[in-house]
Amino acid sequence: GQQVMQIPQYQHVQEGEDFTTYCNSSTTLSNIQWYKQRPGGHPVFLIQLVKSGEVKKQKRLTFQFGEAKKNSSLHITATQTTDVGTYFCAGPMEYGNKLVFGAGTILRVKS
Amino acid sequence: SQTIHQWPATLVQPVGSPLSLECTVEGTSNPNLYWYRQAAGRGLQLLFYSVGIGQISSEVPQNLSASRPQDRQFILSSKKLLLSDSGFYLCAWSTSGNTIYFGEGSWLTVV
Repeated sequence: GQQVMQIPQYQHVQEGEDFTTYCNSSTTLSNIQWYKQRPGGHPVFLIQLVKSGEVKKQKRLTFQFGEAKKNSSLHITATQTTDVGTYFCAGPMEYGNKLVFGAGTILRVKS
Repeated sequence: SQTIHQWPATLVQPVGSPLSLECTVEGTSNPNLYWYRQAAGRGLQLLFYSVGIGQISSEVPQNLSASRPQDRQFILSSKKLLLSDSGFYLCAWSTSGNTIYFGEGSWLTVV
């Protein structure tokens, strides 16, 4: 079945270091979405990428969608303690009104 | 604007007892509705989704059921809880754009 794989599973960085999480789909995606879940909270939508090769920025966060529309990345520049949480990527299933979520990357930031 | 309400926020239930989690969405009509479960430190598992009143699709065989008695109401139930039913339950909604908006979640501990 359709799968979305996300790596790494876990990353612990020093405050100020950069962080990247990668997402790979087994199928071509019409779009890819990123969500952030703070510890103890619920996932919150961050952004959606639609176009092949698209790059979007939100302050220190940079999101990329691959040329083949099968992979994506989220890069955080100069991490801060407020960045801690789990980052999920998700892509729509080929059929039906559902998203396939990656397993998530847990980010911890040491101050 | 659209809002989603989910309750109760936390509950501790004995093994074999029934369960009812409720979710309502405001500010939109005919949303797609979802129930997800998240084990501690793990990813998002889709349990049920619904595209309309009385229309429920189950993603995994389990001890749970879902119902949608009204357009913007989604209920997760169990007749007899198991220890393995413990987790963080998230209700969510979407429209045709696929972006999913999550409720604040319900922490269930089965003892």
